[in-house]
Amino acid sequence: AQSVTQPDIHITVSEGASLELRCNYSYGATPYLFWYVQSPGQGLQLLLKYFSGDTLVQGIKGFEAEFKRSQSSFNLRKPSVHWSDAAEYFCAVYAGGSNYKLTFGKGTLLTVNP
Amino acid sequence: KAGVTQTPRYLIKTRGQQVTLSCSPISGHRSVSWYQQTPGQGLQFLFEYFSETQRNKGNFPGRFSGRQFSNSRSEMNVSTLELGDSALYLCASSPGLAGEGQYFGPGTRLTVT
Repeated sequence: AQSVTQPDIHITVSEGASLELRCNYSYGATPYLFWYVQSPGQGLQLLLKYFSGDTLVQGIKGFEAEFKRSQSSFNLRKPSVHWSDAAEYFCAVYAGGSNYKLTFGKGTLLTVNP
Repeated sequence: KAGVTQTPRYLIKTRGQQVTLSCSPISGHRSVSWYQQTPGQGLQFLFEYFSETQRNKGNFPGRFSGRQFSNSRSEMNVSTLELGDSALYLCASSPGLAGEGQYFGPGTRLTVT
């Protein structure tokens, strides 16, 4: 079965600093990969997705993610963080052989200091 | 386009009761999935429906069930509620199968007392 690991439970950055959120997945083949963001009391918003092709994917709100097959990783990056980026971020994979489903990591909570 | 809507937004039930949650997907979307979110277990997949057929089901007891109507609207039902069923229940829709990328509703906050 597939699994997703987000090693960092909580990250704090200063406004204007760069950001990288880590995501590693476990699956025999290349799954579909996603990053979602959840603000307090809200549902999840899709930031970006990777299916195939170019391994650097651009998303909304200035985010990008890079798929690295050799490392089974799909890290999310942003060059300059804004205070409004404070939220919880979830990496997810869609895979499963005969029972495809979306599996989420435990999430990384991002705090942005002024 | 209007986003995914879920009703009700908040619900308080007593152990042993049953509950039905409703989800209206984005217009034109044919796939609807349901997830349970709790602080301890995180986001867990419940089931996915596509064109009124359940495609996949997560590891939840039979007390959790769902269905999808011809207009793609979906309902999920939890019978014989337990305290551990207290959670945020999220519905998500996608144009085709869930792997294309899903769009989530705001969720229904269920509290079981």
